[in-house]
Amino acid sequence: GNSVTQMEGPVTLSEEAFLTINCTYTATGYPSLFWYVQYPGEGLQLLLKATKADDKGSNKGFEATYRKETTSFHLEKGSVQVSDSAVYFCALSPGGTSYGKLTFGQGTILTVHP
Amino acid sequence: DTAVSQTPKYLVTQMGNDKSIKCEQNLGHDTMYWYKQDSKKFLKIMFSYNNKELIINETVPNRFSPKSPDKAHLNLHINSLELGDSAVYFCASSNLRGGWDEQFFGPGTRLTVL
Repeated sequence: GNSVTQMEGPVTLSEEAFLTINCTYTATGYPSLFWYVQYPGEGLQLLLKATKADDKGSNKGFEATYRKETTSFHLEKGSVQVSDSAVYFCALSPGGTSYGKLTFGQGTILTVHP
Repeated sequence: DTAVSQTPKYLVTQMGNDKSIKCEQNLGHDTMYWYKQDSKKFLKIMFSYNNKELIINETVPNRFSPKSPDKAHLNLHINSLELGDSAVYFCASSNLRGGWDEQFFGPGTRLTVL
């Protein structure tokens, strides 16, 4: 079956530090990959996506590149802010007849200190 | 104007009771989902409806029964609540299309079973 594995958290950084959150996946075929973010007390929001190999998704200074050879979709940001403190979820959708079923990683809690 | 709304936001109840959570989306989407997020933030899909038809039905106790009166609404009824049902339940919606689909999440309903 499909699965997504994220790096263990929580991650604690100082403001302006570099962020990497690792994500690897197992899937058949050609899944689409996503990063969702959940701010405290809120639902999930799509942060960025990539639909095919070598695509780079980017938004709000965050980037992730779909690497089929390493089955990875690592999230990076060059300089984090306190407002980036949230839970980050990597997810995949197999597409096709999957009816939009998303498989999520376990989430990584990020805390950024001033 | 709220895109995906859920009621109630908090629900505290006794074991053995029956309760419902309501979800509405005003995005014109044709597909709606229910997810369960446990205390460790792990998210897992429960159900999905496309145009009022059940299309995803994961391994969920039959005490959980979704109901979609129309495309814009997906309610979740839970019978004989158990302690292990305590979680945050998220509703989401999307339009199904090939390749990928962005899901928009509601703010969540925190269910506490005492």
